[in-house]
Amino acid sequence: AQSVTQLGSHVSVSEGALVLLRCNYSSSVPPYLFWYVQYPNQGLQLLLKYTTGATLVKGINGFEAEFKKSETSFHLTKPSAHMSDAAEYFCAVSETGTASKLTFGTGTRLQVTL
Amino acid sequence: DTGVSQNPRHKITKRGQNVTFRCDPISEHNRLYWYRQTLGQGPEFLTYFQNEAQLEKSRLLSDRFSAERPKGSFSTLEIQRTEQGDSAMYLCASSFPGILNEKLFFGSGTQLSVL
Repeated sequence: AQSVTQLGSHVSVSEGALVLLRCNYSSSVPPYLFWYVQYPNQGLQLLLKYTTGATLVKGINGFEAEFKKSETSFHLTKPSAHMSDAAEYFCAVSETGTASKLTFGTGTRLQVTL
Repeated sequence: DTGVSQNPRHKITKRGQNVTFRCDPISEHNRLYWYRQTLGQGPEFLTYFQNEAQLEKSRLLSDRFSAERPKGSFSTLEIQRTEQGDSAMYLCASSFPGILNEKLFFGSGTQLSVL
């Protein structure tokens, strides 16, 4: 069975600092991995996804994530945080690549301070 | 607005009452999904449709829950005899299928509070 663990339900960074949101997964087959962002009062929006190929994936708004099979991780990073990045971030895994089989983590709320 | 639309945004009901939510997907999307999100948790898959056919249902979807998509366009999710444990955000999403390229577009959700 597939599962996702997001370490840290709340992360606070200063504006301009590195953002690192951690995600570890469990999957019995090569996984497809996703990061979604949820801004207040808005629907979830896909940031980036890994399916096959290059393990460093670039997404929208300057975010990127690296698939590390040996560590079963898919951490999300951004070199320089902006106030507008404050939101909740969800990591998700799919064993089939279809959205119907997505298993989400519990989310990490990112706070950006001045 | 061409995004996924959900109505109502909020619903407060008394335990034992029936409630119905509506989702209007992006018009060219033939797949429609329902998820449930409780406080402090990520979204959990409930069910999905391809056109009007309901192709998969989660074990989370008890017999008090029913979803329809009669003409392959909008969908409704009905909860009968609501319980306090049904309180959650109900999310709808739509997509155009592609094994590697399927991308979900989510609505803003319907927040259900059962008193």
